[in-house]
Amino acid sequence: GAGVSQSPRYKVAKRGQDVALRCDPISGHVSLFWYQQALGQGPEFLTYFQNEAQLDKSGLPSDRFFAERPEGSVSTLKIQRTQQEDSAVYLCASSHRRDGYGYTFGSGTRLTVV
Amino acid sequence: GESVGLHLPTLSVQEGDNSIINCAYSNSASDYFIWYKQESGKGPQFIIDIRSNMDKRQGQRVTVLLNKTVKHLSLQIAATQPGDSAVYFCAENLPPNQGGKLIFGQGTELSVKP
Repeated sequence: GAGVSQSPRYKVAKRGQDVALRCDPISGHVSLFWYQQALGQGPEFLTYFQNEAQLDKSGLPSDRFFAERPEGSVSTLKIQRTQQEDSAVYLCASSHRRDGYGYTFGSGTRLTVV
Repeated sequence: GESVGLHLPTLSVQEGDNSIINCAYSNSASDYFIWYKQESGKGPQFIIDIRSNMDKRQGQRVTVLLNKTVKHLSLQIAATQPGDSAVYFCAENLPPNQGGKLIFGQGTELSVKP
């Protein structure tokens, strides 16, 4: 596609509910990143894929967060047993480069946990 | 630890004036910086970048200055327009051997008065 597509754009979850956030990167992009952006803050790194391999998950805040990219294209970020502090915008970015440069960001999914 | 931060959280300018947004960083080994523009409801958009072997880089109406001695960079926007209203982030793009992730500062909100 023309850009990085994320869905849903907005998600309201009750505390304790599981959620799944989807990212469709630009076609052919090998690198894919997930970032979390709290209100009024800069994005913070969560995890990085190169094709289907998750090379870095050091930013995932807890074991309730899980990401996958099974076929090296679409990625899903899953959050189990959501808590209020998980409320944030989740941004996905992709790049045709393997070196972590040249990102294009999607518009994000705004998650609100009530 | 490493951090990239901004001096001013908000900046209000008159249309047609020049804008200057500042950013400080703490890691003297930082090599590559990017300025992003983020409009409401959208992901960060690349504006301009600079490597540590340069002290100035110009784009269309934008200039980035890098002062490695005091670990400071700035974004200058000439003839600021209402469409420039957004939150601006500086970010360090870590090299591939450090995962290629972006480390963002907090952001400065630029408001342009017509």
